[in-house]
Amino acid sequence: AQKITQTQPGMFVQEKEAVTLDCTYDTSDPSYGLFWYKQPSSGEMIFLIYQGSYDQQNATEGRYSLNFQKARKSANLVISASQLGDSAMYFCAMRANPGAQKLVFGQGTRLTINP
Amino acid sequence: EAQVTQNPRYLITVTGKKLTVTCSQNMNHEYMSWYRQDPGLGLRQIYYSMNVEVTDKGDVPEGYKVSRKEKRNFPLILESPSPNQTSLYFCASSLRLAGHLRGNEQFFGPGTRLTVL
Repeated sequence: AQKITQTQPGMFVQEKEAVTLDCTYDTSDPSYGLFWYKQPSSGEMIFLIYQGSYDQQNATEGRYSLNFQKARKSANLVISASQLGDSAMYFCAMRANPGAQKLVFGQGTRLTINP
Repeated sequence: EAQVTQNPRYLITVTGKKLTVTCSQNMNHEYMSWYRQDPGLGLRQIYYSMNVEVTDKGDVPEGYKVSRKEKRNFPLILESPSPNQTSLYFCASSLRLAGHLRGNEQFFGPGTRLTVL
């Protein structure tokens, strides 16, 4: 069975600092995708970044990067130069083979950026 | 604009009164899904659909029904709502690709906050 673990229920960071949100996953499928979503207080789910299991390089999208360590089964999200607008709940999720189409989500990390 | 729409956004109802939450996407996605979000539990899948007339249960299907008569629409039906179905509901859609392929991220609707009294 697939599982996502986010061990940080909450994090507090000073504005402009970099922040790393932890995510570990468990799957026996060789083909899978890892996703990070942001959920601001307004409630919508915003897709941030994606990493495929066969990708050789870590994914980057603007200030977001994914530190993918396949052997350790970790997919940490790194936000560089944090901004007040980054305060939100962040979810790590995994999608495995087409036979298991659903996204499996972690419990989320609430990130608060302090001015 | 590519989007997933849900209606209503907010709903307060009473136990036993049937309700339907609509979901529609304009991206021609094969795959659609319903999730519920509860504090401390993340998002859990209720039902999903691989294509028209193809639906299957997710992790928490009890008390819910779905249908997929058209590719763009995937309504969620609560025949007899109960207070334990008070939650934030999300509809999502995506292309149907192998797990490791880029481009299969799920696009989420804005959410429906349901309260059952």
